[in-house]
Amino acid sequence: QSALTQPPSASGSPGQSVAISCSGTSSDIGSYKYVSWYQQHPGKAPKLMIYEVNKRPSGVPDRFSGSKSGNTASLTVSGLQAEDEADYYCSVYAGSNKFKFGGGTKLTVL
Amino acid sequence: EVQLVESGGGLVQPGGSLRLSCVASGFTLGNYNMDWVRQAPGKGLEWVSYITSSSSIIYYADSVKGRFTISRDNAQNSLYLQMNSLRDEDTAVYYCVRDGGEAAEMDVWGKGTTVTVSS
Repeated sequence: QSALTQPPSASGSPGQSVAISCSGTSSDIGSYKYVSWYQQHPGKAPKLMIYEVNKRPSGVPDRFSGSKSGNTASLTVSGLQAEDEADYYCSVYAGSNKFKFGGGTKLTVL
Repeated sequence: EVQLVESGGGLVQPGGSLRLSCVASGFTLGNYNMDWVRQAPGKGLEWVSYITSSSSIIYYADSVKGRFTISRDNAQNSLYLQMNSLRDEDTAVYYCVRDGGEAAEMDVWGKGTTVTVSS
């Protein structure tokens, strides 16, 4: 069960947009719509930000959006704010015994 | 308030056992599939195990298969993880997690309980 591939870091200035990629394979991201994104602040539990590629749970700002193309999913944060600085993890549920997380991306707001 | 509270973590020697518990409040545990997810110090998230609402389907990560056992008691609104033959690499914060729907999106997380395996 190899992990999904994310860049270790990303950054942007307040008000800017930043995209974080999550690469998988044709057996997971490429074949399933069950891609989720989680935000984790230091010392805190993760929080669901996006599910089923591009759906936002209630209470998540619409500055957060998700997309998928082929074997790669992306999380875009628009209008960056200081509180967006956190670690972000992608995940995919590829059916049966196939739950995978990405290695995580540390987002820095400059 | 929807909440998950884990307990049972601690320091254990390699080869030892621990049983983690998770109590749900604010919702009916029996209506949801559940997971355990762990995070080693300074590392990313790792899915550990999954159980359907009726316990009819159970999955484990390869790294814990044969050593860990997930179970639940819906009448007690509780989820468990029995961990045997613990190894140094099992040291992590263990999170109890609710799956919100068919997409297995993990929509409610506990604060976690820390397991340290060390001699």
